[in-house]
Amino acid sequence: QLQLQESGPGLVKPSETLSLTCTVSGGSISSSSYYWGWIRQPPGKGLEWIGSIYYSGSTYYNPSLKSRVTISVDTSKNQFSLNLSSVTAADTAVYYCACRISSTWSTYNWFDPWGQGTLVTVSS
Amino acid sequence: DIQMTQSPSSLSASVGDRVTITCRASQSISRYLNWYQQKPGEAPKLLIYAASSLRSGVPSRFSGSGSGTDFTLTISSLQPEDFATYYCQQSYSTPYSFGQGTKLEIK
Repeated sequence: QLQLQESGPGLVKPSETLSLTCTVSGGSISSSSYYWGWIRQPPGKGLEWIGSIYYSGSTYYNPSLKSRVTISVDTSKNQFSLNLSSVTAADTAVYYCACRISSTWSTYNWFDPWGQGTLVTVSS
Repeated sequence: DIQMTQSPSSLSASVGDRVTITCRASQSISRYLNWYQQKPGEAPKLLIYAASSLRSGVPSRFSGSGSGTDFTLTISSLQPEDFATYYCQQSYSTPYSFGQGTKLEIK
C-alpha cells in the first residue's frame, strides 16, 4: 500500500525559501491514477490545499500562494517536492504531502493516504 | 473559489450517541465532497469520499449523505476512538477547500 513521508528543514528564516520533499513508497509516482499534493495546517487551525502535481509535471496551485509556490516531481526517485519562497511567520505550519486518488468510474477524487506531516517554523 | 462551512464548530457528546455534522458549500459541488478525521498529532484520515462512499476499513457506523450544497456526516453510535476533529473537503474544483473543522469532544 502507498506510504508517503515528508522530509526537510524544520526551521526556516523569514524571507528565505521553504523546501520539502515527499518520498512515495509502495507504489509508483508515475501511476496514471494519482496526482500528488501538498496541504498545510497552521498550529491549531484548519487545512489549506497548497497545490498538486501529476507525474508528467502538470501542476495546479492555490491562487493565494501561486506567486510563491513551485511543486516539482522526480520520477527516478519516486519523490515530489515543494518550494515556498519569501516565507513569513504566517507560513509556519505542519506540511502534509498526500496522494490525490481519482475514482476509476467517475471524476470524483480525494486525498488518501497522507504523510505524517512535518512542522516547519519560520523564525529568525 | 468555493467556501466550505461546517456546523457546529464543536460538539460534546457521549459514547453511544448518534451525532451529525453538517457541511455547506458556497455553490453546488454535486457529490464532490469528502470527509476526514484528524486526531491530535496525527495526519487527517479519509472516512468518506464522493459524499457517501465509505473508505475500505472505516467502521460502518460512519455514513455520509447529501449532494449539491448540503452534506452530512453521521456517526450512528459514538465510540471512544471517534473523539477527534472532522473536516469536509470539496474536490469539485481547484483550489480545493476544506471546512473549518468540527471538534467532537467527550461530554
